[in-house]
Amino acid sequence: EVQLVESGGGLAQPGGSLRLSCTASGFTFDNFEMNWIRQTPGQGLEWVSNISSSGSSPLYADSVKGRFTTSRDNAKNSLFLQMNNLRAEDTAIYYCATGATYFQKWGQGTLVIVSS
Amino acid sequence: DIQMTQSPSTLSASVGDRVTITCRASQSSRNWLAWYQQKPGKAPKVLIYQASSLESGVPSRFSGSGYGTEFTLTISGLQPDDSATYYCQQYNTFPWTFGQGTKVEI
Repeated sequence: EVQLVESGGGLAQPGGSLRLSCTASGFTFDNFEMNWIRQTPGQGLEWVSNISSSGSSPLYADSVKGRFTTSRDNAKNSLFLQMNNLRAEDTAIYYCATGATYFQKWGQGTLVIVSS
Repeated sequence: DIQMTQSPSTLSASVGDRVTITCRASQSSRNWLAWYQQKPGKAPKVLIYQASSLESGVPSRFSGSGYGTEFTLTISGLQPDDSATYYCQQYNTFPWTFGQGTKVEI
């Protein structure tokens, strides 16, 4: 069974950092592009970042470019999102999801709250 | 960025009804469009991709159509389990963007 499990969410102060992880199982992780997508009550769903199966050339939404970094460790079936210089508007549930275009499998999400 | 606009925002219907949700793109997305279903506290689940292709395991009462800037998701024979919020997403042009959602109440 395909499973994606996010972790690392929590409370961070504005300007602070958090590192999210997504651990995959039930499929050949290094065959798939991966994504981070976030959801807020007010802004809905927002694609955040994509990374190729090899880990090269991550892509980012303009709203996080220069602050967030996506990486992966295929040996450990893991995806990461390093979030720096956090802002209140980064408060959201963060999901990892498979797919190069549309998003086939999703994790359950991890909640990030940015507040002083 | 391509803006995706869904209508209606909320829809109330009865079991057995045929319901249609519309998604309009601010510029052509060709047929690169997906539909998702999300239930409270859960992640979205893909129903339709490439505008009209049914994802494996999704009931055949769900169908999609459209091309360019106007797309529809139809549920034929609404079931109690279909109570959820539905989102469209274009993947023709980066950044991939979603509609704001349509809540279906039964």
